[in-house]
Amino acid sequence: DQQVKQNSPSLSVQEGRISILNCDYTNSMFDYFLWYKKYPAEGPTFLISISSIKDKNEDGRFTVFLNKSAKHLSLHIVPSQPGDSAVYFCAATGGSQGNLIFGKGTKLSVKP
Amino acid sequence: DTAVSQTPKYLVTQMGNDKSIKCEQNLGHDTMYWYKQDSKKFLKIMFSYNNKELIINETVPNRFSPKSPDKAHLNLHINSLELGDSAVYFCASSQDRLAFGELFFGEGSRLTVL
Repeated sequence: DQQVKQNSPSLSVQEGRISILNCDYTNSMFDYFLWYKKYPAEGPTFLISISSIKDKNEDGRFTVFLNKSAKHLSLHIVPSQPGDSAVYFCAATGGSQGNLIFGKGTKLSVKP
Repeated sequence: DTAVSQTPKYLVTQMGNDKSIKCEQNLGHDTMYWYKQDSKKFLKIMFSYNNKELIINETVPNRFSPKSPDKAHLNLHINSLELGDSAVYFCASSQDRLAFGELFFGEGSRLTVL
């Protein structure tokens, strides 16, 4: 039972364009959402987060949008750079969950 | 300086063997975790310790036994290894019991059971 879903296993974007990574969740008790970035042979690293009391959080080139009614969040990267090529994991927590629930990840490739 | 370090990075072993993976964090965090990333790429929590006390124990075979000698260390011992145990195991830590904090992950330990 996947509570956090990333339905696109991969995404390819041209350098300088916008990358949009999507994430859906099913548990309405989730109230905190995070994005992690993972390079090959490394552990995931925290990228950006958002609380359910907000609908947008921005950090430099990275913006996360939250649509609670749709149980959907997205990560926007503008402009995309080749160094952004990595696997991006969406994660959520809250309610009775005492831990982070991760999606399967989306592999982003940014072409020069 | 590696914040969360785990050893070994690669481990190849035969079915039925017993193996351990060690993890150490130098961040002064109170909480440590073991996650498993299987062939389907899901990152799933296995265990969590807060100040050496077990606080999360997901449905994991009892062949897996975590041990936390102090709050900076969380080791994972696996008995009677099976083919299905092949995965990448990630250790992680967080400042507290993950109210709103993020996890710091180690580089992962790739276990291959033959």
